[in-house]
Amino acid sequence: TQLLEQSPQFLSIQEGENLTVYCNSSSVFSSLQWYRQEPGEGPVLLVTVVTGGEVKKLKRLTFQFGDARKDSSLHITAAQPGDTGLYLCAGLGVGGSEKLVFGKGTKLTVNP
Amino acid sequence: GAVVSQHPSWVICKSGTSVKIECRSLDFQATTMFWYRQFPKQSLMLMATSNEGSKATYEQGVEKDKFLINHASLTLSTLTVTSAHPEDSSFYICSEASGAGIHNEQFFGPGTRLTVL
Repeated sequence: TQLLEQSPQFLSIQEGENLTVYCNSSSVFSSLQWYRQEPGEGPVLLVTVVTGGEVKKLKRLTFQFGDARKDSSLHITAAQPGDTGLYLCAGLGVGGSEKLVFGKGTKLTVNP
Repeated sequence: GAVVSQHPSWVICKSGTSVKIECRSLDFQATTMFWYRQFPKQSLMLMATSNEGSKATYEQGVEKDKFLINHASLTLSTLTVTSAHPEDSSFYICSEASGAGIHNEQFFGPGTRLTVL
């Protein structure tokens, strides 16, 4: 069974601070996706990383896929209250499975 | 990406009744849709994969007779929670990946909050 461990589970910071969220597994994934979910809504896709060592930037968000394609990180620079939400990583296994494996999520609160 | 709608957005029902939740793909034909359940402060748990024109594939531990899934058209999948009990109270979310690339990125509906009294 493929599992994705996310850390930290909860994070409360002040506006302007930087933070990193980690997503780790002992399994190799063909791709890793990051989603952001706000209360009472469905998750929204932020980015997909595919190649080992890949780095993608989305404004103040930087996503990295580990060289071995087993882990990923999300770094937010100068966090803003609008970044508050549940951040979920999800992996697509090798072998053609359609199912995504979701991590338990990181609940981020950015205080003004 | 795809646009997915769900109806209703929230529902309150009495214990023992059945509740139907609809999931519609508004701009893509979805041969496959996914149903998830999310408990407070927890991640998404895949319940089943809904396949157009055939039986749904349920995840281990999910009762197929309690959570009935019907995917009768390419744009509509329904989840019926039969004989609902308070422990079925949860946030139910559907998704589909028809508008995505090869990495099966999911486009989620806005979710349905079910409360069973």
